[in-house]
Amino acid sequence: QVQLLESGGGVVQPGRSLTLSCAASGFTFSGFAMHWVRQAPAKGLEWVAVVSYDGSKKTYTDSVKGRFTISRDNSKNALYLQVSSLRAEDTAVYYCARDGIYHGSGSYYNVWGQGTLVTVSS
Amino acid sequence: DIVLTQSPDSLAVSLGERATINCRSSQSVLYNSNNKNYLAWYQQKPGQPPKVLIYWASTRESGVPDRFSGSGSGTDFTLTISSLQAEDVAVYYCQQYYSTPSGTFGQGTKLELK
Repeated sequence: QVQLLESGGGVVQPGRSLTLSCAASGFTFSGFAMHWVRQAPAKGLEWVAVVSYDGSKKTYTDSVKGRFTISRDNSKNALYLQVSSLRAEDTAVYYCARDGIYHGSGSYYNVWGQGTLVTVSS
Repeated sequence: DIVLTQSPDSLAVSLGERATINCRSSQSVLYNSNNKNYLAWYQQKPGQPPKVLIYWASTRESGVPDRFSGSGSGTDFTLTISSLQAEDVAVYYCQQYYSTPSGTFGQGTKLELK
């Protein structure tokens, strides 16, 4: 079945780095843009970044520009988010999500992973 | 940047009654060239990821019960649950994708049983 599985979260000190991964299965991964969406504890949803289906275009929310890098490996059906210079306000559950339109550039998200928790704390 | 404001922040509805959640956008999310509203609705239950219910403002995702419906155009949108079931208790979010490839969410509306 269609599935996304995140990994790589954990407790990290402010200023340090981490790489989140998302393993996709059950669909043609190379055909869909992929997103990262985060949710701080007891807060709402915040879109973080998107990478186009072929990996050529990447877009970020302003608060993570220059600190986060989204990438994908279509040969491995994998999505990544390198998070660096971490701040307390980056503490959140990070979800990977599939775009809703085949070869679309960014729309709604119709497949979600279960999320991986990143806690930034000294 | 497009800002989405949901109302109310929370509401309590009795089983079998209608629930209505509103979402107002700071600018139109209607794309004139295709006459589509770039707005979706999600449901999130505790400890679970969000689930898309409605996209293009009124298109129901496959498998979503028909008691869920979306309406509106331009800047004002509504999610309606026609007859509330116990399993509908959740937080609901609207999301715009007019500013594609990025997307922004409303602040969420918590739906509880009265």
